[in-house]
This record gives sequence, C-alpha cells and structure tokens, in this order.
Amino acid sequence: AQSVTQLGSHVSVSEGALVLLRCNYSSSVPPYLFWYVQYPNQGLQLLLKYTSAATLVKGINGFEAEFKKSETSFHLTKPSAHMSDAAEYFCAVSTPGFQKLVFGTGTRLLVSP
Amino acid sequence: DSGVTQTPKHLITATGQRVTLRCSPRSGDLSVYWYQQSLDQGLQFLIQYYNGEERAKGNILERFSAQQFPDLHSELNLSSLELGDSALYFCASSALVGNTIYFGEGSWLTVV
Repeated sequence: AQSVTQLGSHVSVSEGALVLLRCNYSSSVPPYLFWYVQYPNQGLQLLLKYTSAATLVKGINGFEAEFKKSETSFHLTKPSAHMSDAAEYFCAVSTPGFQKLVFGTGTRLLVSP
Repeated sequence: DSGVTQTPKHLITATGQRVTLRCSPRSGDLSVYWYQQSLDQGLQFLIQYYNGEERAKGNILERFSAQQFPDLHSELNLSSLELGDSALYFCASSALVGNTIYFGEGSWLTVV
C-alpha cells in the first residue's frame, strides 16, 4: 500500500524567505507523486506532479519539488515566499495503473510580513 | 477553474436525512472520484468510477452510494445522515490511466 507522511502540520515563514514543505512516501512500486494546494474555502489545485520523468519538477507559482528515491522524499520548495502562498498544501501518492490518490495530512503554510 | 463542477456548493440538512451530491467531470474525462475531507480524518478516498463502472472503493460507508451515468456525470448519495458526516465532499476527474486528477471546489455538507 502507498502512503505519504508530511512533516509539520504548520510551517511559518516570513515573506521573501525560503519555503520548504516536507513529504516522505512509502510505495512498493515506483510512485507517482503530487503536490496540491488548497486556499481557504476552495478546492484542491494541482501544483506539480512527478511521473518518473525528470526528478526535479517545476510547478505553478514558482514552486518546485525534487524526487529523491534514496530518501523516499518529495519535498516542495519555493525560493521566496509571498503572502499569497498562505494555504494548506497536500502531498499525495499514486501508482501507475491505479489512479487513486492517497493524501498526506497536509501542511498549513503561514506567511508573515 | 479545474473544469470539474459540483453542486450544491453548500447544503445543510438534518440527521437521518438523505442528500445527493452531483458532479460533472471535465469534458472528455472518463474517470470520476469522490473524496471526503473532514477535520478529524483528512482527505479520504471514497470511490472511483471509470466510464460508468465502479473501479475502486475506499473508505466509503454502506450508507453512502455513488454512480456514474452514461453522460459521465456522477452522483454521490448519502443516507441516514449523522452529525459525523458533516464534511467537504470533493469530486475529481481524470482522462485515462496515468493522467492528472483534477478536483472540483467541493460540496460543503453540514448535518445538524
């Protein structure tokens, strides 16, 4: 079975600082990995996805994530936080041939001026 | 806008009642998924349909049922509602195996 663990239910950064949201996965087969963002009172929006191509994946709004098989990690980063980045971020794992997404518990990103 | 449309956006109902949530997938998407998001259980996969047939089942209660119609829209039926069923219910869709799953904005269900 696949699972993801997101370290830290809340992460606080200052505007302009580096954003690092951690995600570790568990999968018995090569995984597909995703980051979704949920703004207050809105649905889930796909930020980026890894599907076994390039290990460094660039997404929308300046976010990127790197797949590291040796560390079973898929951490999300952004060089400079913006106030509009404040939201909840979910890491998810799926497997080829079975599209069910298994989500982590989410990390709420707080950005202070 | 993901292209996935869910109705109603908000719904308040009493315990013991039955409600139906509706989902229109993105144009051309054959797969529909239902997820439940609650404070205590997070995002939980409920069920998946592919071109009208049930493809996978997750943590869906027996009081809940779903179907996908020939026009590919889907409905999630929730019956004998309990307070604990209050949650945000997401519908999502994708085209084929390996394609990205796109989420709607959800239907907020409050059971009082």
